[in-house]
Amino acid sequence: DTEVTQTPKHLVMGMTNKKSLKCEQHMGHRAMYWYKQKAKKPPELMFVYSYEKLSINESVPSRFSPECPNSSLLNLHLHALQPEDSALYLCASSQDFVVRGLSRDYGYTFGSGTRLTVV
Amino acid sequence: DQQVKQNSPSLSVQEGRISILNCDYTNSMFDYFLWYKKYPAEGPTFLISISSIKDKNEDGRFTVFLNKSAKHLSLHIVPSQPGDSAVYFCAARIIQGAQKLVFGQGTRLTINP
Repeated sequence: DTEVTQTPKHLVMGMTNKKSLKCEQHMGHRAMYWYKQKAKKPPELMFVYSYEKLSINESVPSRFSPECPNSSLLNLHLHALQPEDSALYLCASSQDFVVRGLSRDYGYTFGSGTRLTVV
Repeated sequence: DQQVKQNSPSLSVQEGRISILNCDYTNSMFDYFLWYKKYPAEGPTFLISISSIKDKNEDGRFTVFLNKSAKHLSLHIVPSQPGDSAVYFCAARIIQGAQKLVFGQGTRLTINP
């Protein structure tokens, strides 16, 4: 299995709703990521989990709450979002280890994304 | 502060010819560079990568060149095929506590029959 699976593929939510995005991989990758991509823009990093611990939060508003229940799963909990949060949310995973200062090949793999629309 | 730049938003190439996509970066701490291909409403698909200690990596029709002194890399696709039409993102990796990928703005490549 060389895939990162994201569900749902599409989500429409109101500004008062609570919803969750899910991401799953079975490649044994120990790093997982959430990216946000707006139309005609590059993906922007939101969060990094390394060995199920939050390693990087790129100053993301608290209405986005990540969770990593185990090494294969990554969730993004959404609450009180704004219309400007509408975007494609991408999950990725990779090997994440540095061996004696040299990086090993890490197979950074993206899912197909969840298209989120906030109304 | 755009650390990875793709200055050409679009590129049009005839089928069978060479496509050359360019990328510049500013941060000398990047240690790995990757190219991704993306179709609308899909996640980026990995194409090819290169370590900062190398100057060339080749995989089939795809070759990536790195000029570290100029902080410039390029992706060559030869021969170009209609299925290569997509948006191409250059990305650079940096280790800051954990590894991060920083993406360029993307170049839309169109291969004309």
